Amino acid sequence: KNQVEQSPQSLIILEGKNCTLQCNYTVSPFSNLRWYKQDTGRGPVSLTIMTFSENTKSNGRYTATLDADTKQSSLHITASQLSDSASYICVVSERGSQGNLIFGKGTKLSVKP
Amino acid sequence: NAGVMQNPRHLVRRRGQEARLRCSPMKGHSHVYWYRQLPEEGLKFMVYLQKENIIDESGMPKERFSAEFPKEGPSILRIQQVVRGDSAAYFCASSPVLAEYNEQFFGPGTRLTVL
Repeated sequence: KNQVEQSPQSLIILEGKNCTLQCNYTVSPFSNLRWYKQDTGRGPVSLTIMTFSENTKSNGRYTATLDADTKQSSLHITASQLSDSASYICVVSERGSQGNLIFGKGTKLSVKP
Repeated sequence: NAGVMQNPRHLVRRRGQEARLRCSPMKGHSHVYWYRQLPEEGLKFMVYLQKENIIDESGMPKERFSAEFPKEGPSILRIQQVVRGDSAAYFCASSPVLAEYNEQFFGPGTRLTVL
């Protein structure tokens, strides 16, 4: 069964600190992996998209990594800001699925002053 | 260029009524996807449409749910005879081309509450 698991479920960090969120997936055949940020009451916003051949991709203070062999990904946030408080969702696309995305439940990040 | 628009943002229905959720994709986007997010759960794919065609409805319940994307106007997700278990946030996303590799842009969602 195609699944996307994320850890931790929730995380509290102090402003300015770094953090790393984890994602494990069992989706096969694999097409690509995305990280989204979802603010409370809003729709998800894309941060990165990585295909099988990409190991790392950055978007400002966000850096995503992908190990397609172990089916693991991480999202590293550097120098966190209060506005980073949100849910971060790992999403995997199955090859040939015509855009049907498989979502993890997300990690809820709270950045405190 | 306005983003994906959904209305209403909040919808309250009593059991047995019909719910109609609307989604206007971004300008130039002809692919629309509907997702449902139950409380404390991740988003789940429901249906994928191109203009006037349903491409993949594998995630949509067989009964009471239907979706359309007419040649003119927004995409509509219709839920007939709603039940309490239909209470959820419904998100629409759009893309300009087949989105297996391309980004899907999400709307703000419609939060449906069934009393």
